[in-house]
Amino acid sequence: SQQGEEDPQALSIQEGENATMNCSYKTSINNLQWYRQNSGRGLVHLILIRSNEREKHSGRLRVTLDTSKKSSSLLITASRAADTASYFCATDEGSQGAQKLVFGQGTRLTINP
Amino acid sequence: DAGITQSPRHKVTETGTPVTLRCHQTENHRYMYWYRQDPGHGLRLIHYSYGVKDTDKGEVSDGYSVSRSKTEDFLLTLESATSSQTSVYFCAISVGSNQETQYFGPGTRLLVL
Repeated sequence: SQQGEEDPQALSIQEGENATMNCSYKTSINNLQWYRQNSGRGLVHLILIRSNEREKHSGRLRVTLDTSKKSSSLLITASRAADTASYFCATDEGSQGAQKLVFGQGTRLTINP
Repeated sequence: DAGITQSPRHKVTETGTPVTLRCHQTENHRYMYWYRQDPGHGLRLIHYSYGVKDTDKGEVSDGYSVSRSKTEDFLLTLESATSSQTSVYFCAISVGSNQETQYFGPGTRLLVL
């Protein structure tokens, strides 16, 4: 069963605007990760936030994590056309060793020039 | 570049035929994974491997088997393909200092008629 639910399913904004997408999950986690997928390609890791962290930044990306609400958000600031892609959250529930990531259904982001 | 290749990249087959997909990596990564991606479901884990000859089931393993006889190769076999196995299949490896993130291959599009 899906762990993560993402919201919205699709988002269309103008270039230069900020994009926010949200992820909710159901069980306790070790960390939560965000991945990007360009059309027809494999997923690319963007950022990881651990369960004891509340906020993390990487370039134009800002991720927040609220473990009490079992939710996370990904903010992309000053969006560019190249940010057009699908974005997935993934949770890692396991202990050491192989990760059994559970992915959300994704948010399809379109940046309009 | 972690160097993952998947073969074939596209395949059309008929119901009831066996199909084997290959994932090849070049950097001796220990953990390897097979996912399928379907509209509305995000990515779901099929099987994973934590070493040569060491594999385990994921969320959607029914109808699939895997083998890992060498570190660099992880094979996914559909013993008797069904139309419900039409999907895009992604291989991934664990990367990073703590093996916490995953690097994905380019995917294999499989159509079962």
